[in-house]
Order: sequence, then C-alpha cells, then structure tokens
Amino acid sequence: GAVVSQHPSRVICKSGTSVKIECRSLDFQATTMFWYRQFPKQSLMLMATSNEGSKATYEQGVEKDKFLINHASLTLSTLTVTSAHPEDSSFYICSARVSGGPEAFFGQGTRLTVV
Amino acid sequence: DAKTTQPNSMESNEEEPVHLPCNHSTISGTDYIHWYRQLPSQGPEYVIHGLTSNVNNRMASLAIAEDRKSSTLILHRATLRDAAVYYCILRRGYQKVTFGIGTKLQVIP
Repeated sequence: GAVVSQHPSRVICKSGTSVKIECRSLDFQATTMFWYRQFPKQSLMLMATSNEGSKATYEQGVEKDKFLINHASLTLSTLTVTSAHPEDSSFYICSARVSGGPEAFFGQGTRLTVV
Repeated sequence: DAKTTQPNSMESNEEEPVHLPCNHSTISGTDYIHWYRQLPSQGPEYVIHGLTSNVNNRMASLAIAEDRKSSTLILHRATLRDAAVYYCILRRGYQKVTFGIGTKLQVIP
C-alpha cells in the first residue's frame, strides 16, 4: 500500500513554544490530507481536512489559529501547534488518500509532550 | 453519518480464527464498509473494505450480510501481532474517515 510518513515521531517541547509536524506521502500525490488527534485510551478525533493549495477545513471546536495547517504541495502537509500547553499533549496522526482509491493511509503518528 | 456498533473488546487464542462483528443498521446504499486496525502507539492501518460482496485479501476476509446491516471481519489465524484495536467504519465515496471506539482484540498465547 501507499506510504505516509510523519516527522518527528516523538517531540517534547516547553509550554508556550510552537511545534511543527510534517506529513508526507512518499509514493503518491495526495490532494487531501487529514489530521487527527488521539488522547490516551480514546479513539481518533478528526481535527481538520487539509487541501492542497487552499485553506484547511477545521472540525467544530478545533481552533484554527492554534493548529495551523499548511498543505503547500501534493506530497506535504504540516501541522503547527502554536503556543503549546500541556493539554495539547497528545498523539497526532495524519492521513492521506490516494487519488481514485477508497483507502486512507495513515502516518505512524507523532507523540507530542508539552512540559 | 451512519454509525457502527462494535463490541468494546474480544479475546482470541493464538492461531485460531477470529470473527469481529460490526452492526451498521442505518447503512445507506452508497456506504462502503471499511476496516482499519491500530496497533499500540501507531497510526491506523487499512485492513479491508467492501460494498456488498464478501472480500478477501492477504490480511483478512470481510463477510457482509445480505441486508448489509452487519458485517464481520475474519482473521483466519490470529497471531500476537494481530493484537490491536479494530475499527469498522462506513464511508461514502471519498469522505473523511471518522472513527468510533472500535474493538480491542487481545490474542492469548
């Protein structure tokens, strides 16, 4: 199947700083990518849909100014957590869909810890 | 969105078949049934999907009821590596994938 790569896999940052997470589709072009957040022992919650060349669409309750999404190319989307706080500590996962295919492929996730 | 209902957890002995059920009584005619699984501390992994007919691939089989109101993911021989949370999801076209709680599968050696 198609490969989606996330970087970094794990990051620790200080409260108040910003953290950027990259999501790349390695062997296919992804016009649409999705960003999820998962808290311990909970399911994945969709945060936003990222479309190449246009503004992301955020789910209700997700602050767009706090979670900045940039989808500048067909193979790269980035999520920046701005002014991170301990409550932002979570497992962030991106997903991309192969054009014309029904499956969604997921990155390996990024474990963010804000101290 | 049509919802799915899965048991919270299931157990299976290693090397035995596992049948993971999913109810989706409000499924519409254009909803595909997708299954994903998530191993601990990893992103979800696509397993299989189908519309009306049963499907087989190298990972699993998907049995879909004739009325499409339920489906069953079949792992033919469970291994320890199959221990994961399995998500049954309905997806219409290229809609975003929305996850429920899923079924946590424990494989007993």
